[in-house]
Amino acid sequence: DADVTQTPRNRITKTGKRIMLECSQTKGHDRMYWYRQDPGLGLRLIYYSFDVKDINKGEISDGYSVSRQAQAKFSLSLESAIPNQTALYFCATSDASRREQFFGPGTRLTVL
Amino acid sequence: GESVGLHLPTLSVQEGDNSIINCAYSNSASDYFIWYKQESGKGPQFIIDIRSNMDKRQGQRVTVLLNKTVKHLSLQIAATQPGDSAVYFCAENIVAGAGSYQLTFGKGTKLSVIP
Repeated sequence: DADVTQTPRNRITKTGKRIMLECSQTKGHDRMYWYRQDPGLGLRLIYYSFDVKDINKGEISDGYSVSRQAQAKFSLSLESAIPNQTALYFCATSDASRREQFFGPGTRLTVL
Repeated sequence: GESVGLHLPTLSVQEGDNSIINCAYSNSASDYFIWYKQESGKGPQFIIDIRSNMDKRQGQRVTVLLNKTVKHLSLQIAATQPGDSAVYFCAENIVAGAGSYQLTFGKGTKLSVIP
């Protein structure tokens, strides 16, 4: 969905490096989410935010942190990347009045 | 813990035939379900949703059926086309707290359309 953008689209990094993945949306939604996708495991929720003052841990938050800089921006950080964080990362947004979530195009992260 | 899962990880269908993708869920508290389509290199795209007070909902060439008795969800695609080739995910929506909801995703079924 072009209304939800993610940068970078691809990133290769080394173990121990700090990485930030960024998400921006023009949908005007209050709620934003970060998911991780691994083959055979589907999408798993890392963190979510319902407004700029709200941050909540998801199913697999260990090793990750987030920042909600504005209503339209939600970034995900890996403070010290490790190889098992190699995965596809998706940002999503939703409106408070609906439960449907809209996904960005994803970031493919490889940690060597 | 409770989870959402799929009966078949892969499905091959002849172009023009109907496709049926199945999903089992185990959380009886779930009251809203979504089907997503994910094409290669893209993020999941909403297809259709259904609330637990409904048994069936139809969209354009797609129908979702919900059987709450056996906690089963299915997505039917009519006259399957090559562009339907993708991974399909079901997701259940559960209440995570006052006014908040979370989506729990199944592992996905890969649909391949044979020309």
